[in-house]
Amino acid sequence: EAQVTQNPRYLITVTGKKLTVTCSQNMNHEYMSWYRQDPGLGLRQIYYSMNVEVTDKGDVPEGYKVSRKEKRNFPLILESPSPNQTSLYFCASSFLGQGYNEQFFGPGTRLTVL
Amino acid sequence: AQSVTQLDSQVPVFEEAPVELRCNYSSSVSVYLFWYVQYPNQGLQLLLKYLSGSTLVKGINGFEAEFNKSQTSFHLRKPSVHISDTAEYFCAVRSKETSGSRLTFGEGTQLTVNP
Repeated sequence: EAQVTQNPRYLITVTGKKLTVTCSQNMNHEYMSWYRQDPGLGLRQIYYSMNVEVTDKGDVPEGYKVSRKEKRNFPLILESPSPNQTSLYFCASSFLGQGYNEQFFGPGTRLTVL
Repeated sequence: AQSVTQLDSQVPVFEEAPVELRCNYSSSVSVYLFWYVQYPNQGLQLLLKYLSGSTLVKGINGFEAEFNKSQTSFHLRKPSVHISDTAEYFCAVRSKETSGSRLTFGEGTQLTVNP
């Protein structure tokens, strides 16, 4: 089954404790992206990647890191989480190229930073 | 750059009533337009999309949306809602000009259908 998976689905942590949220897709997509969802703000892009070893900042990259060492994986790293990073996080992927390419979303990771 | 504004943050309606969720966008280039739905405690599901052609697009669960280029709007409608339509709805756009698939989302509209 074609899908985007995220782990963990729920995470409660404390300020300053490094964490990684994993994202994996099995559709051989070039493009992968992380969004955060906050009430009243919709979804905002954190980082994206056009291919292996190619990453770039989105609208709200501060406090986050990403890497793209393999095509299927795009982990989101919070090296020193703070309470303002409490949010619902979505990973997404799609093909690149001319025309429309549907973006597939993961199930979301709900992060609480105390 | 693009921006999306959803004009209502909350829309309460009674079951079987019609509903319209409003979305306006701003862009200097041509865009694709989308509506996503998020049911409670679930991920995002694509409801419908406008790519080109007919300005009236039909989606899943009886929803439809109309693209109005002159008013830069993409309002979502359903003639008769059900309790199960209670969810948050997001309007989104994506540039046709770039190969990247970045989506710009609106703030979301919480639709609550009451019995």
